[in-house]
Amino acid sequence: DAGVTQSPTHLIKTRGQQVTLRCSPKSGHDTVSWYQQALGQGPQFIFQYYEEEERQRGNFPDRFSGHQFPNYSSELNVNALLLGDSALYLCASSRGQGDGYTFGSGTRLTVV
Amino acid sequence: GENVEQHPSTLSVQEGDSAVIKCTYSDSASNYFPWYKQELGKRPQLIIDIRSNVGEKKDQRIAVTLNKTAKHFSLHITETQPEDSAVYFCAASKGTYKYIFGTGTRLKVLA
Repeated sequence: DAGVTQSPTHLIKTRGQQVTLRCSPKSGHDTVSWYQQALGQGPQFIFQYYEEEERQRGNFPDRFSGHQFPNYSSELNVNALLLGDSALYLCASSRGQGDGYTFGSGTRLTVV
Repeated sequence: GENVEQHPSTLSVQEGDSAVIKCTYSDSASNYFPWYKQELGKRPQLIIDIRSNVGEKKDQRIAVTLNKTAKHFSLHITETQPEDSAVYFCAASKGTYKYIFGTGTRLKVLA
């Protein structure tokens, strides 16, 4: 069981650019949530996808968008990158209402 | 708004002693409370969780207690070992919808 897989593991982008992060959920999981974790902070909820639709969204601007595919994998897109977007981006998958999240190892995004 | 407060931010204990981390949540509709351990540079890993219909849950050296009236829940680690050193996060949610995480507790177990 591969667990939750995220790619890439590290990324460096320039202010104003756009970035796409990818996540493959754990086998059997159908729900994908994305979190932003700044250094020394707890993860902050960005949004959650279920049945290819955004089910819930946190307090993040519209520059943050996402998508879920029929195979349950997901993408996180961030447009017009700011220095403050530098963080670890965590993907978590879950199944229905029964289980807790399983987190991926994250993508470390650095905006310069 | 929804909020989870976590204390202390850092905790140092001697090997073999117990460690307690406390969290308070604001949304009374929260019904699921997981605890995650995150080692440096690694993913958060679920170590124990509790649902609102249970007051206490144990798994070997780890236990979690929940006081719904006070909206408090706590993580208890007994007989601490150096490998318990990590950052611990509590969270509160309604089912598997968004988790509201605490700010983390850096636990150091001194050999």
